[in-house]
Amino acid sequence: EVQLVQSGGTLVQPGGSLRLSCVASGFTFSTYWMTWVRQAPGKGLEWVTNINKDGSQKFYVDSVKGRFTISRDNSKNSLYLHMDSLRVEDTAVYFCAREQWLAQGVSWFDPWGRGTLVTVSS
Amino acid sequence: QSVLAQPPSASGTPGQWVTISCSGSSSNMGSNTVNWYQQLPGTAPKLLIYSNKQRPSGVPDRFSGSKSGTSASLAISGLQSEDEADYYCAAWDDTLSGYVFGTGTKVTVL
Repeated sequence: EVQLVQSGGTLVQPGGSLRLSCVASGFTFSTYWMTWVRQAPGKGLEWVTNINKDGSQKFYVDSVKGRFTISRDNSKNSLYLHMDSLRVEDTAVYFCAREQWLAQGVSWFDPWGRGTLVTVSS
Repeated sequence: QSVLAQPPSASGTPGQWVTISCSGSSSNMGSNTVNWYQQLPGTAPKLLIYSNKQRPSGVPDRFSGSKSGTSASLAISGLQSEDEADYYCAAWDDTLSGYVFGTGTKVTVL
């Protein structure tokens, strides 16, 4: 069974740092792009960042550029999101997802992890 | 950054046909494929339609997708109570070099 198990969400103060993890199983992790999507309380989905198979390509939404870093360890089937300089507006449930990438502009997210809540508050 | 526009809500009685629109621009839906995700209350999103009109295995054929130019639609025929959820369209945006999601549509079964 394809599965993504997430961890790392917690309460953190503004300006703090946090690392989220996403451990994959049931598929060959190193052959897929991976992505992070977030959802603020009561709001819609917002794509955050993605990474290619070997970690050499990364894309970010403007609001997190310079503060968030996506990475992966294919030997551990693990995806990470390192978040620095956290802001109140980063409060959200963060989902990891496997990205089925066929070509630029032809890709989708399936499956998704269950999500982990990051709360940024003093 | 939601740059894909969706109606905030849609509704119907069991068995009815419901459609949800998604409007974008040339940099996203005009040049890339559209996907649809279903999010049941309190759960993670689930892929519903990919590459404009393809259904993953396990998704009922009551769900169908289409795209024309910079607009797309999701149709639900024979609406069922378990279809009550939030629905999001999404596409890659060439200008932003990132994915954009729609604003989301809440479907209510009356």
